[in-house]
Amino acid sequence: GEDVEQSLFLSVREGDSSVINCTYTDSSSTYLYWYKQEPGAGLQLLTYIFSNMDMKQDQRLTVLLNKKDKHLSLRIADTQTGDSAIYFCAEDGGATNKLIFGTGTLLAVQP
Amino acid sequence: AAGVIQSPRHLIKEKRETATLKCYPIPRHDTVYWYQQGPGQDPQFLISFYEKMQSDKGSIPDRFSAQQFSDYHSELNMSSLELGDSALYFCASSLRDRVYGNTIYFGEGSWLTVV
Repeated sequence: GEDVEQSLFLSVREGDSSVINCTYTDSSSTYLYWYKQEPGAGLQLLTYIFSNMDMKQDQRLTVLLNKKDKHLSLRIADTQTGDSAIYFCAEDGGATNKLIFGTGTLLAVQP
Repeated sequence: AAGVIQSPRHLIKEKRETATLKCYPIPRHDTVYWYQQGPGQDPQFLISFYEKMQSDKGSIPDRFSAQQFSDYHSELNMSSLELGDSALYFCASSLRDRVYGNTIYFGEGSWLTVV
């Protein structure tokens, strides 16, 4: 995760919006991804965005990409307690097709 | 829908022993990846295979080896195990698509504990 950075922790109240931020370094990345990991579980692909897009919306999830600043964000609307998990952003490093993960953000949703 | 299947889910081995993890990718996916996630860490890329040939190599120790078989399943072999190898090992698979790219799906992971 040394090339992809995220804030470590975010706490929100149920029903509020959550915004998880990520900065990456490899401008050649083709796709950027958001994965969710619940305790003791695997990595669940939430959504991804193609690098030539600015925004992608998928139900409660909105991904914003600022390619100039190499900044990616994930907004979760109407956050629920079931959204509590660690969220990883990842970049694909362009042609290498291997994912480089961020450090992960622990999202805690208070009832 | 079928997902990436990994086995075993949990494994306990002693130091210096050998362990083998298996991965069955999503049907028709042509690329398999292995990642290692230590406690409280982000997943680190180990190795990948495309159409049964090694396509990329990350921070995989020399004590580890992997291969992809004719049925596209993959195995990660770990020898001379060390305490520091205790981690969650993920397999992932994807289908390379010239138009839509490469969406990568992960399995539930195999927990390896070395004692």
